Amino acid sequence: GAVVSQHPSWVICKSGTSVKIECRSLDFQATTMFWYRQFPKQSLMLMATSNEGSKATYEQGVEKDKFLINHASLTLSTLTVTSAHPEDSSFYICSAPPGLAQYNEQFFGPGTRLTVL
Amino acid sequence: GNSVTQMEGPVTLSEEAFLTINCTYTATGYPSLFWYVQYPGEGLQLLLKATKADDKGSNKGFEATYRKETTSFHLEKGSVQVSDSAVYFCALSEEDMRFGAGTRLTVKP
Repeated sequence: GAVVSQHPSWVICKSGTSVKIECRSLDFQATTMFWYRQFPKQSLMLMATSNEGSKATYEQGVEKDKFLINHASLTLSTLTVTSAHPEDSSFYICSAPPGLAQYNEQFFGPGTRLTVL
Repeated sequence: GNSVTQMEGPVTLSEEAFLTINCTYTATGYPSLFWYVQYPGEGLQLLLKATKADDKGSNKGFEATYRKETTSFHLEKGSVQVSDSAVYFCALSEEDMRFGAGTRLTVKP
């Protein structure tokens, strides 16, 4: 089946620094990718929709200047957490729908655990 | 907007017990419905899905039926195992994917 990878799988950074998380579709092209955030023992929260070749669409309440999304190619989307603070510590997950069944099913990356000290 | 309401946990069962995790949804159109499972320390995995009313998704002994009249997609398994201990998420997909809060299941030997 389709595979989505994320890098890094975990990262620890100091407060005030920026962290970039990559999401790649390994064996399919994805014009759209989704970024989620999961707090401990809570559900996933959709943060934004990443669109190849155009600006990302952010959910209400998500700061677009803080969570920069770039969908540079059909297989890569990046999420940059700028000027990270401890409250940004979370598990970040990306997903991508394969092929033309764009909204029928999605494949999820393994997630990136961000810890901001 | 679209949303999913899922039975809150945690749920603790003995091995071989019957499992039901309730899930209801609100949608403007005709979404696809999913159950995802997250084992400890791992990412999400698709457990089963249904794309239209009256479809039944099934996998690994789990099943769920897309009920449009009751806007529900309850997850069931006749006999749970210790290895089924995980967090289960109900989700719907129309223009994007929306998740329920997740239900933590612990199965004791």
